[in-house]
Amino acid sequence: QSVLTQPPSASGTPGQRVTISCSGSSSNIGSNTVNWYQQLPGTAPKLLIYSNNQRPSGVPDRFSGSKSGTSASLAISGLQSEDEADYYCAAWDDSSWMFGGGTKLTVL
Amino acid sequence: EVQLVQSGAEVKKPGESLKISCKGSGYSFTSYWIGWVRQMPGKGLEWMGIIYPGDSDTRYSPSFQGQVTISADKSISTAYLQWSSLKASDTAMYYCARPLDHYYDRRGPPGYWGQGTLVTVSS
Repeated sequence: QSVLTQPPSASGTPGQRVTISCSGSSSNIGSNTVNWYQQLPGTAPKLLIYSNNQRPSGVPDRFSGSKSGTSASLAISGLQSEDEADYYCAAWDDSSWMFGGGTKLTVL
Repeated sequence: EVQLVQSGAEVKKPGESLKISCKGSGYSFTSYWIGWVRQMPGKGLEWMGIIYPGDSDTRYSPSFQGQVTISADKSISTAYLQWSSLKASDTAMYYCARPLDHYYDRRGPPGYWGQGTLVTVSS
């Protein structure tokens, strides 16, 4: 059971906007920044968003992040078929990184 | 270009020992923490621990303390994850990861990842 709670699944059609939530507590999201990762099948996780809303170089601006209190969200606009993947939130908690359980995004 | 290259897949029997590696290149290996992440089959990501190769300061997630050993050899820019006695439940993909550039603290967001090492433990 993960410390950070994500919905197990999400879906959308091409072009749609989809959001994925991540709920934590005062010891993780409430007092630290949030990162988001995308994991395509059979590949290593890729950092999509760091420090709540910053995109590493090369990540399209279709991906955006936000945080409020002890919750965070990842939004994907203009959904594309290649966005079908697992998405994980992560936050520092006391002395280690904590990950959410992951959300499987299906593009219908 | 920053790269983390991990050792190849392993198939082991329960009770055997194992050491897998993660070689860093394209940056100052002693300046950034390197962490290890477990992903069991069909499951999510779990943070195992982290090491600072500069002085070998090592921290473990409570769930993995005493179960594995993390080490590093800065002379060859390589971090290691080892088990003294493997169990079937250690079957998983293991990733090493390093914070983004300019994040020198262990809380820096893991932005560079190795390709993963698949460990299979079966009798």
